[in-house]
Amino acid sequence: DTAVSQTPKYLVTQMGNDKSIKCEQNLGHDTMYWYKQDSKKFLKIMFSYNNKELIINETVPNRFSPKSPDKAHLNLHINSLELGDSAVYFCASSLGQGAYTEAFFGQGTRLTVV
Amino acid sequence: KNQVEQSPQSLIILEGKNCTLQCNYTVSPFSNLRWYKQDTGRGPVSLTIMTFSENTKSNGRYTATLDADTKQSSLHITASQLSDSASYICVVLGESNDYKLSFGAGTTVTVRA
Repeated sequence: DTAVSQTPKYLVTQMGNDKSIKCEQNLGHDTMYWYKQDSKKFLKIMFSYNNKELIINETVPNRFSPKSPDKAHLNLHINSLELGDSAVYFCASSLGQGAYTEAFFGQGTRLTVV
Repeated sequence: KNQVEQSPQSLIILEGKNCTLQCNYTVSPFSNLRWYKQDTGRGPVSLTIMTFSENTKSNGRYTATLDADTKQSSLHITASQLSDSASYICVVLGESNDYKLSFGAGTTVTVRA
């Protein structure tokens, strides 16, 4: 029944490793997002995809590469992980990008780089 | 400087009491303002969305107000319950075509029995 689901919920890894976070939504939405929530609790958009096409790329290091195999999935791959990548990453989806469109968030993936 | 500032950073209230959270924003031009509730270990869930022409909107025991002239909003929680313990995040969408939401840092509310 989960609308936006992310896996894994927790991820602990060493510096320099490559890891992926998966996101799937069953709401029939055509727009998906990745947000990063840092230690100060601010949520900042990283990427958005509309119908598998990249719409927003907020000057995220190119070590972060989103991949959207279809409009129900938006995965996030991170290369050469750094300590500063430790954060909670949220996937979200919406029906289009209209001003009053509601965004639905996943439960988050807490990434800890050691 | 973040474009959405919230206060207080945290507060503790007794069950059954009311509380009010504040949000000031500088995002301009402005499209709409949202309040989200984020439970610990969960993603944010929308409570209200208000346009510049709306002064108040309610969702059950939650009432949001908006003064677009002073760029201030508040979220009032009435007759608080233990389940209201969460972080409440003010989010502003500016006028653009790219749906970039600006998030505040949130106010952490703890309701005690």
